[in-house]
Amino acid sequence: GESVGLHLPTLSVQEGDNSIINCAYSNSASDYFIWYKQESGKGPQFIIDIRSNMDKRQGQRVTVLLNKTVKHLSLQIAATQPGDSAVYFCAESINQGGKLIFGQGTELSVKP
Amino acid sequence: DGGITQSPKYLFRKEGQNVTLSCEQNLNHDAMYWYRQDPGQGLRLIYYSQIVNDFQKGDIAEGYSVSREKKESFPLTVTSAQKNPTAFYLCASSILKGGNYGYTFGSGTRLTVV
Repeated sequence: GESVGLHLPTLSVQEGDNSIINCAYSNSASDYFIWYKQESGKGPQFIIDIRSNMDKRQGQRVTVLLNKTVKHLSLQIAATQPGDSAVYFCAESINQGGKLIFGQGTELSVKP
Repeated sequence: DGGITQSPKYLFRKEGQNVTLSCEQNLNHDAMYWYRQDPGQGLRLIYYSQIVNDFQKGDIAEGYSVSREKKESFPLTVTSAQKNPTAFYLCASSILKGGNYGYTFGSGTRLTVV
């Protein structure tokens, strides 16, 4: 079946550096993508989303890039802080109102 | 404040027991979902419901049951048929039309078999 995969299961960065978390998806029909942040013992929190008619979207300290040619999604976090340490999931959706398909997750660890 | 509430936060189950996890939302969302998360793993869909009195099986429905008698509520029962129920359970809700289709998640219930 279709799946969303992540290139790296763990990522360690120095505080203040920029972080890039990558995600590959296999279904070219997916039209909506989301990044979630999950801190230990808590539910995932919405970070940012992007629709397939866009290739970039910026939020506060975060940017999501979508490359439909190679079916690749990335989350960039600027000036990474210790509070950014968490597991990050990407998710894709096919058709409006469809279920989200979640990737495996990448654990981001920020060193002070 | 609008949100989605899961209870209890921690739950212990004896072998052979059924237990029910509560999920309530006041966001007026149409759809609700239950996911299971094992340590170091992603989210696996158990059941979902897009309308009251209707629900569909997800990828790992065996050993679980749900009901959707009210739009706000989507309880999950972990039955004795679920042989490995120890996990972190997450409930989520979403709208189905007219905008953002992201999920709002609850804070989770950690179930442990004792």
